[in-house]
Amino acid sequence: AQSVAQPEDQVNVAEGNPLTVKCTYSVSGNPYLFWYVQYPNRGLQFLLKYITGDNLVKGSYGFEAEFNKSQTSFHLKKPSALVSDSALYFCAVNPPGGYKLSFGAGTTVTVRA
Amino acid sequence: GAVVSQHPSWVICKSGTSVKIECRSLDFQATTMFWYRQFPKQSLMLMATSNEGSKATYEQGVEKDKFLINHASLTLSTLTVTSAHPEDSSFYICSAPPGRISYEQYFGPGTRLTVT
Repeated sequence: AQSVAQPEDQVNVAEGNPLTVKCTYSVSGNPYLFWYVQYPNRGLQFLLKYITGDNLVKGSYGFEAEFNKSQTSFHLKKPSALVSDSALYFCAVNPPGGYKLSFGAGTTVTVRA
Repeated sequence: GAVVSQHPSWVICKSGTSVKIECRSLDFQATTMFWYRQFPKQSLMLMATSNEGSKATYEQGVEKDKFLINHASLTLSTLTVTSAHPEDSSFYICSAPPGRISYEQYFGPGTRLTVT
């Protein structure tokens, strides 16, 4: 079985400050990990993924994530948050070679001006 | 990039009626599509995997006779909510992998269903 956990329901930061959204995973084998963002009443937008290779993954809109196998984590980061980054963020995992995503509960990010 | 559309974006229907939601891949072919439902401020729950030319695969606890899925072509999957009840009110989202060896999926914008 595969699962992801997002321990924080909400993250609040001031604009210009670093933003971190936490994710830990549990999966058999090598994980395929993803971050998606959802704006109100919209579908999900792909931010970045880790399949293999460099542990630091860079994605859209200045986001990056670091795959840490020993800690089974895949935290999403942005060095300087923008008000427009306020949204709902989901971490997700695929089984290796598959497409059946399992999502975390989501973290609501609020960036205040 | 790959685009997935959904229609309608929102729909209101009366209890007991059926509603059809379409999911289209606009610039790629999708032999597999996925249907999710999402309650307010909650995560996405996978309902079923839609397979072109064959029966859908439903997740445990999802009533296949209530949520009918048809994947008639490589660019279209439909979800029909039959005999809708107020508890079926939700946000329904579809997704499709673009088929490249990349494993990310592209999501539709979602359909808000309200059953009165």
